[in-house]
Amino acid sequence: KNEVEQSPQNLTAQEGEFITINCSYSVGISALHWLQQHPGGGIVSLFMLSSGKKKHGRLIATINIQEKHSSLHITASHPRDSAVYICAVRKYSGGGADGLTFGKGTHLIIQP
Amino acid sequence: DGGITQSPKYLFRKEGQNVTLSCEQNLNHDAMYWYRQDPGQGLRLIYYSQIVNDFQKGDIAEGYSVSREKKESFPLTVTSAQKNPTAFYLCASSSTDRGNSPLHFGNGTRLTVT
Repeated sequence: KNEVEQSPQNLTAQEGEFITINCSYSVGISALHWLQQHPGGGIVSLFMLSSGKKKHGRLIATINIQEKHSSLHITASHPRDSAVYICAVRKYSGGGADGLTFGKGTHLIIQP
Repeated sequence: DGGITQSPKYLFRKEGQNVTLSCEQNLNHDAMYWYRQDPGQGLRLIYYSQIVNDFQKGDIAEGYSVSREKKESFPLTVTSAQKNPTAFYLCASSSTDRGNSPLHFGNGTRLTVT
């Protein structure tokens, strides 16, 4: 079982819908990152959080440390939100040599 | 604008040839990373560097080599020893290492070896 699991793997929704992408992890972490990968391949860091909730524009990220779960929400979704969303965790010990373990990503398509 | 530049965007090579992927950043970041992305898999770390003239192997370093002669540059060489080099390669940087500061990524290089 992967230490970082994202769901769903694929999501297609209509413009304007409220979107939720989930990330569950099975290890102790010090931080969690949400990344956005555009169709061309470039990746943008959306959030880094270790507790509570962060908001930037139409994007909201929450984390529940006790439940080892984080969600990324998109309000009033738009076709330009179509991308792959990646969750990555910084483990307290182990993990990759950079301390990060990445999920496989959620492929989101927003149809007009 | 500050950022990370990877070049080229697409690269084609014949099997048995070494190839070098460029990564340059003007963010004044100390830490730089090379990741490999394959379909259906999470990003995997190839090499990383915390400071000039120093670098460490990541999880899948075999068949790759790097150098860090300047703070802003971290080129990756894919050698003929890499058994399955066709992949999407991403360079990243951060102000500190160990994943506790935001990562900044380049736009990637798609390498195809035939």
